[in-house]
Amino acid sequence: RKEVEQDPGPFNVPEGATVAFNCTYSNSASQSFFWYRQDCRKEPKLLMSVYSSGNEDGRFTAQLNRASQYISLLIRDSKLSDSATYLCVVQYNFNKFYFGSGTKLNVKP
Amino acid sequence: DADVTQTPRNRITKTGKRIMLECSQTKGHDRMYWYRQDPGLGLRLIYYSFDVKDINKGEISDGYSVSRQAQAKFSLSLESAIPNQTALYFCATSDTQGGNTEAFFGQGTRLTVV
Repeated sequence: RKEVEQDPGPFNVPEGATVAFNCTYSNSASQSFFWYRQDCRKEPKLLMSVYSSGNEDGRFTAQLNRASQYISLLIRDSKLSDSATYLCVVQYNFNKFYFGSGTKLNVKP
Repeated sequence: DADVTQTPRNRITKTGKRIMLECSQTKGHDRMYWYRQDPGLGLRLIYYSFDVKDINKGEISDGYSVSRQAQAKFSLSLESAIPNQTALYFCATSDTQGGNTEAFFGQGTRLTVV
């Protein structure tokens, strides 16, 4: 079983749409959670950390459900520039990072 | 300049050759990692190091070795390259200070073994 699982997509949405990604993780001892964005052939870059209370950064909202061991990312008012692959990442004991295989988003005009 | 720098950015090598990928960082982080990325498989951990004297195998270390020459430098070697080591390789760093533990990545090395 993979440590972190994501729907690979692709999610094809029109500009202005709201889109949500989910991710599940297997280790209940996980302590830190992140969403990264990766553009084609580029390095992953931190989009946002995910906190138990949920957090928002502009059009992006991240939620953590520890009881069900899943993390979500909501993107509102999608822009063409949001097209990318979104990686769910968990970390145990400030130790290694475990990456999901990514969810591809295509925002179309 | 990038905080995490990988060299080379692209490399084509022949089967059986030894090749070294280098990573250096200016972030002052103690932790460094090497990952490979293959289509559909996400990033998989090859080796990681929490300080100069600490080296640990990741989930796919066979066929690879590493050297932590200094806090700022962590190199990955393929002793005898084979075609299924063709992949995109990323170096990453992280810290445990100040509550910010996220990973920072180099720009990647695209390796092709023919």
